[in-house]
Amino acid sequence: DTGVSQNPRHKITKRGQNVTFRCDPISEHNRLYWYRQTLGQGPEFLTYFQNEAQLEKSRLLSDRFSAERPKGSFSTLEIQRTEQGDSAMYLCASSPQGLAGGPNEQFFGPGTRLTVL
Amino acid sequence: GQQLNQSPQSMFIQEGEDVSMNCTSSSIFNTWLWYKQDPGEGPVLLIALYKAGELTSNGRLTAQFGITRKDSFLNISASIPSDVGIYFCAGSPEPGDGGSQGNLIFGKGTKLSVKP
Repeated sequence: DTGVSQNPRHKITKRGQNVTFRCDPISEHNRLYWYRQTLGQGPEFLTYFQNEAQLEKSRLLSDRFSAERPKGSFSTLEIQRTEQGDSAMYLCASSPQGLAGGPNEQFFGPGTRLTVL
Repeated sequence: GQQLNQSPQSMFIQEGEDVSMNCTSSSIFNTWLWYKQDPGEGPVLLIALYKAGELTSNGRLTAQFGITRKDSFLNISASIPSDVGIYFCAGSPEPGDGGSQGNLIFGKGTKLSVKP
């Protein structure tokens, strides 16, 4: 399977705990994105990497959230001191760089569903 | 911030009918994408549009990038039970209107249910 993979698929944690999610993009894609999706809503952009550089962060990405892509391949998203409001589906997507450096088709992984009790 | 208005929110149709849904924005977009999402899964890309007026088909699906660059529609012809799911439009605004090389803005989705 050469699609985007995410682990774990489900995570249940208690409020105040830290959680970390992993995303493995399509191998030849140099761009990687994180989104958050709550029930009944479309995905909301969190952050994006081109290779190992984090180029953009949404205002949704509070100080408790940190994302890394140290070698320009897989990425991790960590949430510290989780709150019940963090419960959501966390989606990762990847894309090749567009010919003009602009946006391109983004291919999504299956997501990690986080439940904070 | 930027928002996409997607309609209808939900629809029930008979198998074999054609379906149409659309998405509008308050500002110009330079990319429109249409995705389908099944419960518990990530969105799957259906069609990507990059030029105003562009009309693109993918099997029974047809999508168009509006001439004004502020809207897009998706048509599904001869619907079948496996078309059930939530369809999302997504777009990339012009830089300066909240757009960037990474930021896709999504609509709230159109939930499609088909009666067999």
